[in-house]
Amino acid sequence: KAGVTQTPRYLIKTRGQQVTLSCSPISGHRSVSWYQQTPGQGLQFLFEYFSETQRNKGNFPGRFSGRQFSNSRSEMNVSTLELGDSALYLCASSLEGQNQETQYFGPGTRLLVL
Amino acid sequence: GEDVEQSLFLSVREGDSSVINCTYTDSSSTYLYWYKQEPGAGLQLLTYIFSNMDMKQDQRLTVLLNKKDKHLSLRIADTQTGDSAIYFCAEAVSGGSYIPTFGRGTSLIVHP
Repeated sequence: KAGVTQTPRYLIKTRGQQVTLSCSPISGHRSVSWYQQTPGQGLQFLFEYFSETQRNKGNFPGRFSGRQFSNSRSEMNVSTLELGDSALYLCASSLEGQNQETQYFGPGTRLLVL
Repeated sequence: GEDVEQSLFLSVREGDSSVINCTYTDSSSTYLYWYKQEPGAGLQLLTYIFSNMDMKQDQRLTVLLNKKDKHLSLRIADTQTGDSAIYFCAEAVSGGSYIPTFGRGTSLIVHP
């Protein structure tokens, strides 16, 4: 079974631009979560999608958004990029997004904002 | 609110046991997790424990939970160089979806 894949793996953007990151979950998984990892703030939960609906959201500004398609693939978008958005963005999938399930993480997309 | 704290570094000799500690603050029913992150990779769930348990063992890994002190530890027996990684403790309140709060991670360095 293929693991969670994220594209692209690396990205360089400039301030003010927008970016779209993609995540393909493990086949059969309906929950996809996104996380931001930075040296300063550590790992922080962005949002979770389940059956094409945003079910949970972390404490991030509205510039961060996402969506999920009918095949469970998910995208996240960051508009009006700031230097502080430079981070590793991790995606994880699980069957139903419940506490006792194993979340499987992708390798991440490393975003650098110049 | 939730807050999870870990020490930043731990250095051990190969073959020794490693103990990585974590404290959390949420007093409600909660799941507590240990993840491993190797360089250039995402997180890998190692094990988890529910807050009504005291201990969980899985091969070389032992998780101990002290609910009174809100203290969680991960013991790795016979630590190998392949165990060198960053270990994250996380908690998530039960009863709903998985929304974790992570610690800052402990860098484990295993030297020969």
